[in-house]
Amino acid sequence: GEDVEQSLFLSVREGDSSVINCTYTDSSSTYLYWYKQEPGAGLQLLTYIFSNMDMKQDQRLTVLLNKKDKHLSLRIADTQTGDSAIYFCAARNMNRDDKIIFGKGTRLHILP
Amino acid sequence: DAGVIQSPRHEVTEMGQEVTLRCKPISGHNSLFWYRQTMMRGLELLIYFNNNVPIDDSGMPEDRFSAKMPNASFSTLKIQPSEPRDSAVYFCASSSWWEQYFGPGTRLTVT
Repeated sequence: GEDVEQSLFLSVREGDSSVINCTYTDSSSTYLYWYKQEPGAGLQLLTYIFSNMDMKQDQRLTVLLNKKDKHLSLRIADTQTGDSAIYFCAARNMNRDDKIIFGKGTRLHILP
Repeated sequence: DAGVIQSPRHEVTEMGQEVTLRCKPISGHNSLFWYRQTMMRGLELLIYFNNNVPIDDSGMPEDRFSAKMPNASFSTLKIQPSEPRDSAVYFCASSSWWEQYFGPGTRLTVT
């Protein structure tokens, strides 16, 4: 079945760009998502990208999708202390079973 | 829209007791998902419904867990009897054609 992998930790200095990477196994995934989870809170949908897109930009967030390599990334420009959270990558195949498979999350730590 | 609503937000119960978690999805969403999150296992999909019909319950840990969706605006996840290893945060999420939104979660502690 589908598997989604991401690194567990990332440390970035405040003001720098953060790049969180994710790989998935199902080449037929139709939607790919990024969620943010702050301590004690639920998962907040940050952005998503359809599989026929290469890039999506929304303010400080840029999502890049490389379908050939099954690689997804989330770039956060001008990283701020409020960006400190766990970021989850998720993949969904609506043509098969519509399940959304999540990675284990990347904990983003902001250095002063 | 109020978003996905879950109740209770916190539940503390003793081992052996029945626990019922409730979820109201976003109006108009046709899919509903129940997840469990723990430090050890991360985020696990337990079951999901499409148009009120259970599609995949392969993630339900064992027969002590059951979920229902009697109508488009309400779902329950029941654990009977509860055990300490069921302690976790349980999330409900609802989905439209492309977006999935999570509720705030129910933090369950079984002593």
